[in-house]
Amino acid sequence: AQSVTQLGSHVSVSEGALVLLRCNYSSSVPPYLFWYVQYPNQGLQLLLKYTSAATLVKGINGFEAEFKKSETSFHLTKPSAHMSDAAEYFCARGGNMLTFGGGTRLMVKP
Amino acid sequence: NAGVTQTPKFQVLKTGQSMTLQCAQDMNHNSMYWYRQDPGMGLRLIYYSASEGTTDKGEVPNGYNVSRLNKREFSLRLESAAPSQTSVYFCASRGTGGTEAFFGQGTRLTVV
Repeated sequence: AQSVTQLGSHVSVSEGALVLLRCNYSSSVPPYLFWYVQYPNQGLQLLLKYTSAATLVKGINGFEAEFKKSETSFHLTKPSAHMSDAAEYFCARGGNMLTFGGGTRLMVKP
Repeated sequence: NAGVTQTPKFQVLKTGQSMTLQCAQDMNHNSMYWYRQDPGMGLRLIYYSASEGTTDKGEVPNGYNVSRLNKREFSLRLESAAPSQTSVYFCASRGTGGTEAFFGQGTRLTVV
């Protein structure tokens, strides 16, 4: 079965520090890949998506992700964390079935 | 611009009761999904519908049934609720190809 793995269920960074959230996927062909963010008591909203047009994808709120086929990875980064970035982040792999990773809760310390 | 609308937002059921969660989208999307979200487990797919008139099982279909009533609506039914079905349920819709999914605000269900 195709799967998505997010390494680290909780990540804590200081405000202003680099954010790195890891995502690996299993797939025999490059899939469609997505990062979503969920704020408390809300639904999911799209941060960015990879659809093979470019390996470095820029999203909203200063986030970006790089697709690396050789590593089957699609890690999410942001150069400088803000307090408002505290949320849960989900990596997802798309086909007919949209499959999600287990999520990573990002905490930002002042 | 409603997007994906789920009802109800909150529900408490007793073990053995039945209920239907409703979902409607106004984006003319072909695909619709039902997920459950539990702490530490991410979103797990219950059922999905790739087009009107078709439904397929996802990762955790046991105890649930679905109906794709028309292109807009996709309902999830719990015939005999169990405490293990306490969760937050999300409906989503998606267009074709590599397009992203749009999510409703969720239904928080508690089974006592």
